[in-house]
Amino acid sequence: GAGVSQSPSNKVTEKGKDVELRCDPISGHTALYWYRQSLGQGLEFLIYFQGNSAPDKSGLPSDRFSAERTGGSVSTLTIQRTQQEDSAVYLCASSLESGSSYEQYFGPGTRLTVT
Amino acid sequence: GNSVTQMEGPVTLSEEAFLTINCTYTATGYPSLFWYVQYPGEGLQLLLKATKADDKGSNKGFEATYRKETTSFHLEKGSVQVSDSAVYFCALRGGSNYKLTFGKGTLLTVNP
Repeated sequence: GAGVSQSPSNKVTEKGKDVELRCDPISGHTALYWYRQSLGQGLEFLIYFQGNSAPDKSGLPSDRFSAERTGGSVSTLTIQRTQQEDSAVYLCASSLESGSSYEQYFGPGTRLTVT
Repeated sequence: GNSVTQMEGPVTLSEEAFLTINCTYTATGYPSLFWYVQYPGEGLQLLLKATKADDKGSNKGFEATYRKETTSFHLEKGSVQVSDSAVYFCALRGGSNYKLTFGKGTLLTVNP
């Protein structure tokens, strides 16, 4: 079946603009995660959704970052007033979170460049 | 909190050489351990996993054994191929904490 998809694949934006990144998880996966991959920091957890709720937002780096999930499916990560340090690859993952099936499947990522 | 330390590399090997990438972890409780691989231009893929002490995960000729006494999960392959060139990430998921904690990644280049 279809894997996790993310859009756009690449985004170039000017400093100070807002951006929205989208994630379509695997159908039926109840859990959804956002991570950020950057040269300096490696792979960092941002936020975790179970259904439409976000019980763990501990990785969001500032209040400029927010995320929502609707219908237990699609998620949007929004970065307001982008800064150059926000440049990174933003990865989304989903998992079933049922019994022993908690393997996280990753999307291809969105490469964000803030100029 | 949880943390993962892995050999950062880069690692360059000739085809058919033996590979070891070291990974150690710090976690409370009994974490599950993973190796992910990222091939050039592609997304992260799960390579193998182990969920309890002494478990051995294996896939595509790669192996890693969950060693609780040394808090390690070293990745090994007996004979690497050019197609194994990629970045390898060690990761853990601890107890009720659903998120993955990753190491910094190790770039492996295999030359013919």
